Amino acid sequence: GIQVEQSPPDLILQEGANSTLRCNFSDSVNNLQWFHQNPWGQLINLFYIPSGTKQNGRLSATTVATERYSLLYISSSQTTDSGVYFCAVASIQGGSEKLVFGKGTKLTVNP
Amino acid sequence: GAGVSQSPSNKVTEKGKDVELRCDPISGHTALYWYRQSLGQGLEFLIYFQGNSAPDKSGLPSDRFSAERTGGSVSTLTIQRTQQEDSAVYLCASSLAFEQFFGPGTRLTVL
Repeated sequence: GIQVEQSPPDLILQEGANSTLRCNFSDSVNNLQWFHQNPWGQLINLFYIPSGTKQNGRLSATTVATERYSLLYISSSQTTDSGVYFCAVASIQGGSEKLVFGKGTKLTVNP
Repeated sequence: GAGVSQSPSNKVTEKGKDVELRCDPISGHTALYWYRQSLGQGLEFLIYFQGNSAPDKSGLPSDRFSAERTGGSVSTLTIQRTQQEDSAVYLCASSLAFEQFFGPGTRLTVL
């Protein structure tokens, strides 16, 4: 099945810094989503982005489907950005819409 | 509007007991998914319902796990003869197109 790798696994920033999270995947996808898991375990939708570029406030994402990677940019980070960021994909070859998740990037933003 | 809801939020049970977990998807969403998140396995797909089609059960870890979706809406995940390795957070998601939206999860602890 499709493989999803996220990097870095851990990231520690000072408030106000910028960061880039990466997601590599091994097959063509018809769905790619970025999530933020908050301290209470809720998965918050950040982006649905199987291709192209989107921006939402301080966050933006780019997926280059032909090269099988996606990037999540966080600018001017805040302590509330702390948590785990997951990339999840659904493979075109998979036969269903089930998401395969990466292992996540744990972000800690210090004041 | 209302998001995906799950009940109970927490469930503690004894090894060998059966448990039922409930998911109420977003109104109008035709697809419903169950995933689980455990320390050792990360986030993994369990089962997928789409309209009246046969469910994709390819992620169910054993025949002790089953799920049904009644009337194309509410879904129940049943785990029979629970084992300690079933302890995890069980997450439900729903979608209308490709983007999936997750509920808050049910934390299951098997003693």
